Amino acid sequence: AQSVTQLDSHVSVSEGTPVLLRCNYSSSYSPSLFWYVQHPNKGLQLLLKYTSAATLVKGINGFEAEFKKSETSFHLTKPSAHMSDAAEYFCVVSRINFGNEKLTFGTGTRLTIIP
Amino acid sequence: GAGVSQSPSNKVTEKGKDVELRCDPISGHTALYWYRQSLGQGLEFLIYFQGNSAPDKSGLPSDRFSAERTGGSVSTLTIQRTQQEDSAVYLCASSGGLKRGSTDTQYFGPGTRLTVL
Repeated sequence: AQSVTQLDSHVSVSEGTPVLLRCNYSSSYSPSLFWYVQHPNKGLQLLLKYTSAATLVKGINGFEAEFKKSETSFHLTKPSAHMSDAAEYFCVVSRINFGNEKLTFGTGTRLTIIP
Repeated sequence: GAGVSQSPSNKVTEKGKDVELRCDPISGHTALYWYRQSLGQGLEFLIYFQGNSAPDKSGLPSDRFSAERTGGSVSTLTIQRTQQEDSAVYLCASSGGLKRGSTDTQYFGPGTRLTVL
C-alpha cells in the first residue's frame, strides 16, 4: 500500500520569498515520487520526479525537492516565488518497476503568491 | 505534436443519460490511464491499460463505468446512467510503458469536465 500526505492545504508567500510545500509519503515498496502542478483550467504538468537516483531532484521553473528516506519526506522548494507560481501542487507516489504504475495523489496544496 | 488530447472539454448531461469521453494518448505510448478529479475526493485512479494486457479496472467506482482502448491507441471511458455524484473532471494520462528498472513519467491531458444535472 502507498499513500501521500500533503501537510498544508493552502500556502501563501510573498513574491520573491522562498516557497516550501511539504509532503510525507508511505510506501511498502521503493517509491517513485513526483510533484505535479495544475494551473487554473489547465492540465497537470510534471515539475520533477525522484526514482532512486540522486536524492536532490531539480525540476522546471526553479523548483527542487529532496528525498529523505529517514523522514519519509519529499518537500518541494523554490528560493524565490514568482507570481506565475500560483497554482495547485500535488505530491504523488508510485511503485518502481511493477506492472501497474498507477499514481497515488496527495490532496493538493494551493499556493498563493502575494504581490 | 502533441500531447495527450481529450474530448469533449466540457460535457453537460442529464441524470440517467450515458456519456462517452475520449482520450488520444501521445503517439507511441503503450500505457494509458484514466483518473477522476472531484471536489472532496481529490484525484483518484480509475483504470489502466498497458499494451495488449488485460486492463486494471480496480479503480472503477461502479459497474456503470467502463473503458476500452481500441488498437492500442485511442481510449473511450463510458459512464452509463449518469448520477450527480459522477460530476468531476476526468483526466487521461499516457506513458511510454514500463522499462525494467525505470519509472515512466505520465503525461496528462487537459481533462473533460462532466456536469450531471
